[in-house]
Amino acid sequence: NAGVTQTPKFRVLKTGQSMTLLCAQDMNHEYMYWYRQDPGMGLRLIHYSVGEGTTAKGEVPDGYNVSRLKKQNFLLGLESAAPSQTSVYFCASQRTGAAKNIQYFGAGTRLSVL
Amino acid sequence: RKEVEQDPGPFNVPEGATVAFNCTYSNSASQSFFWYRQDCRKEPKLLMSVYSSGNEDGRFTAQLNRASQYISLLIRDSKLSDSATYLCVVKGSGAGSYQLTFGKGTKLSVIP
Repeated sequence: NAGVTQTPKFRVLKTGQSMTLLCAQDMNHEYMYWYRQDPGMGLRLIHYSVGEGTTAKGEVPDGYNVSRLKKQNFLLGLESAAPSQTSVYFCASQRTGAAKNIQYFGAGTRLSVL
Repeated sequence: RKEVEQDPGPFNVPEGATVAFNCTYSNSASQSFFWYRQDCRKEPKLLMSVYSSGNEDGRFTAQLNRASQYISLLIRDSKLSDSATYLCVVKGSGAGSYQLTFGKGTKLSVIP
């Protein structure tokens, strides 16, 4: 099983450029999440979705937009990249009603904004 | 007070040692607790859930103290392969029940 797949794995942007990170899951999970991880900061939630067509803000949503047009995909967009958005981005998915509430993560996208 | 606090370490221990990690959380209404493991430059993966009665999985034992809002992870007979960062994770309640809050992690290095 592929699980959670993130593309691209690496990207370098110039300040002001835009890009979209794609997250795809093949586990039929309802919930999907985007996190960023910075040294000394731990994982911080950017946006999340509890179902197709829904999105909600997390802890650090500014500068990012998301869309969940299909259940299996969750897109994270940067409209005008800034150096402060240099980070490792992780997508995760989770099924509903699970006693363990386990989140499954993608391998991450390493983004540098110059 | 930060929502989930952990000692960042690093903990450098010899093979075969026993090591314990601690974590405190601020939201007394939190319902679910977990330990995730993250290898260097990899994604986090669930290590084990933490139950009120305490639970054990091989060399790993997790404990929860709701009164003190304290979670622990004990690793016995450490292996080189245990070297990783261990993340304490708490599931929110109410409006935050869709979300997990991650601690910053405790780094463990097991030395030959």
